[in-house]
This record gives sequence, structure tokens and C-alpha cells, in this order.
Amino acid sequence: SYELTQPPSVSVSPGQTARITCSGDALPKKYAYWYQQKSGQAPVLVIYEDSKRPSGIPERFSGSSSGTMATLTISGAQVEDEGDYYCHSSGNWVFGGGTKLTVL
Amino acid sequence: EVHLVESGGGLVQPGGSLRLSCAASGFTFSSYWMNWVRQAPGKGLEWVAYIKDDGSEKYYADSVKGRFIISRDNAKNSLYLQMNSLRVEDMAVYYCARTSALDYWGQGTLVTVSS
Repeated sequence: SYELTQPPSVSVSPGQTARITCSGDALPKKYAYWYQQKSGQAPVLVIYEDSKRPSGIPERFSGSSSGTMATLTISGAQVEDEGDYYCHSSGNWVFGGGTKLTVL
Repeated sequence: EVHLVESGGGLVQPGGSLRLSCAASGFTFSSYWMNWVRQAPGKGLEWVAYIKDDGSEKYYADSVKGRFIISRDNAKNSLYLQMNSLRVEDMAVYYCARTSALDYWGQGTLVTVSS
């Protein structure tokens, strides 16, 4: 079955750049989507179609994709960005395992 | 403003049934594919099922195929998930979400399967 692989955790200090990766064989042909989930809350879409940002999502969130890897970048991460981040690719009904982002 | 509100969760014994509902507002419900996604306690997200805008196509994760049924009533702006033969491993928060991009999510409803 198809899989998306994410690192279990990423840790940065406030103001640093956080990068979360997602690897999968279908990514060269499929868009990547990223979701942020804060503790006790529902997920929120933060990046769609590899690099587009929904309205209301801060500009410090950006996305890119190259080959079999998609990357979510948070430039100047803030404490409120802490949470779990999940990727998925269009047309494949799976999520990555999730990455816990710690900002401290 | 897009709003999705799930309901119908609760405590059920293994082998039992439960029907979840998702009430949609703030958009033309009949124009969008809809999904159910679940999250077991302390675990990641798992796609459960999706249904095309007119209900003509449905997909189920292997883990629920043959036990769960996704449906919708476009006249009532509502999405449903009929869950039968429930197992302990089905215990999770169940979210409804819009489109294949999952651009909007409800707050979720908790399903507890325990004897």
C-alpha cells in the first residue's frame, strides 16, 4: 500500500526556520497537502497543492515539492506553531505519520 | 463561513452499531466531495471514507470496508457514517472534512467502543 513518510519530531528555537519533510513515491505526480493540528483541536489546512496558502494562514508557512519529497517550511517559527503536522498527497487516501513540532 | 458539525458519537459495545452525522453550512454542500477521517487516541490521522458530490462514488479504507457505509442527503446538507460491527480498534474521534483537499474540518465526535 502507498505510504508517506515524515520525521516523528522536529524541534527549533523561536525565530528559527522549521522544515518538515514528507516523502512518497507518488509525490512527483501528485500534489502535497499539509495540515496543522494543535493539542485537542481539529486539523487545519495550512498548505495545498504543494505551495499554496489558504487565506488566514500566516505568510511564514510555505511549501515546496521536488521529486519524491515535499517540504513544509515555517520561517521564523513561533511558540504558537507548536503542534502535529500531517501531509497527504492528492488521490492517495493516506496521511503521513505526523511530525511533532516543538518550538522552545 | 463554512461550518461542519459532527454528532452521534458515544459509547458502544463491540459488535454494536452507531450512526454519525455531519451538518454542513456556509457553502453549497451538493457541489463538494465529503470525507470521514478518524484519529485514535494518541495516534495519527486515518482516512475512513469519501463520497462524491452526488453520492455516485464512494471509497472505504480497507479497515472499515464491509462494515461502514458513507452516505449523504444533499437536501438536508448532511453527511452520514453508518458504523456496524464496531471493534475496539474503531475507537477514535471521527471528523468530517470537505473535498479531497480536506480544506475544512468539523470539531469531531468521539466514538468509544468498550464492553
